[in-house]
Amino acid sequence: EILLAQSPGTLSLSPGERATLSCRASQSVSGSYVAWFQQKPGQAPRLLIYHASSRATGIPDRFSGSGSGTDFTLTLSRLEPEDFAVYYCQQYAHSPYTFGQGTKLEIK
Amino acid sequence: QVQLQESGPGLVKPSQTLSLTCSVSGASLSGGGYLWSWIRQYPGKGLEWIGYIFHSGTTSYNPSLKSRLTMSVDTSQNQFSLILTSVTAADTAVYYCARDVGRGFCSETGCDTFDIWGQGKAVTVSS
Repeated sequence: EILLAQSPGTLSLSPGERATLSCRASQSVSGSYVAWFQQKPGQAPRLLIYHASSRATGIPDRFSGSGSGTDFTLTLSRLEPEDFAVYYCQQYAHSPYTFGQGTKLEIK
Repeated sequence: QVQLQESGPGLVKPSQTLSLTCSVSGASLSGGGYLWSWIRQYPGKGLEWIGYIFHSGTTSYNPSLKSRLTMSVDTSQNQFSLILTSVTAADTAVYYCARDVGRGFCSETGCDTFDIWGQGKAVTVSS
C-alpha cells in the first residue's frame, strides 16, 4: 500500500498570498496518477486536479499541480476567501487507492 | 446532472451488519463506463477507499476490509450497495458513494478518479 504524507498539516495565510501544499508518497507513483481534492466543512471532497497537473472542469487556473515520482505539489497562486479549506492528495496508480491525511488551509 | 445519494441507518450496534445504498440519478448504471465506489471518512478526517463495483458486478475491494465486505449493484433500481459485517467502533465514519471515472478515461467533470460524490451518510457504531 502506498502511503501519502502531506505537509504542512496546517497552513495559515492571508487572501492574495500564494499557497504551496506538498504530498510525498512512500514509493513512486507510476504514471503520476495523483489527484487533489478540496473539502469544505459539511461537504464532500471536490476534485481539483487529476494526473498530477490537469485541472478538472470548472477549476480556476489559480490552482495548479505538479510533480512526479514520489513528490507532488498543489499551488494556489493567489488565495481567494473561498479557497480556505482542507486539501487532500490521492494516488490511484496502485490498489488500494490511498489518500493523504490532509492539509488545512486557514485564514491568518 | 449526475447526482448520488446515500441512504441507510445512522446507528449500528457492534458486531452487527452495516448496509448502505447509493441511489444514482442523471445517469444509468447499466450504461457502463464508470466504477461505482465507496469511500469513508473517519472522525479525525482521514479518507479510506473501501472499494468499487462495475455495472456488471465486478468488484475490487480494499484488502483491509475484504473479509467483511460485499458490494452489489441493482441496475433496475439504478442503485449500488455496501454491506459490512461484524462492525466495531472503528467503522464509525461518514460513508460516501462516488463515481470513479477510471484511470485514463474522462467524464464531463474530470478524468481518472472520483469526479462526483454523494453528500455522505454519517454512521455511528455504538451499543
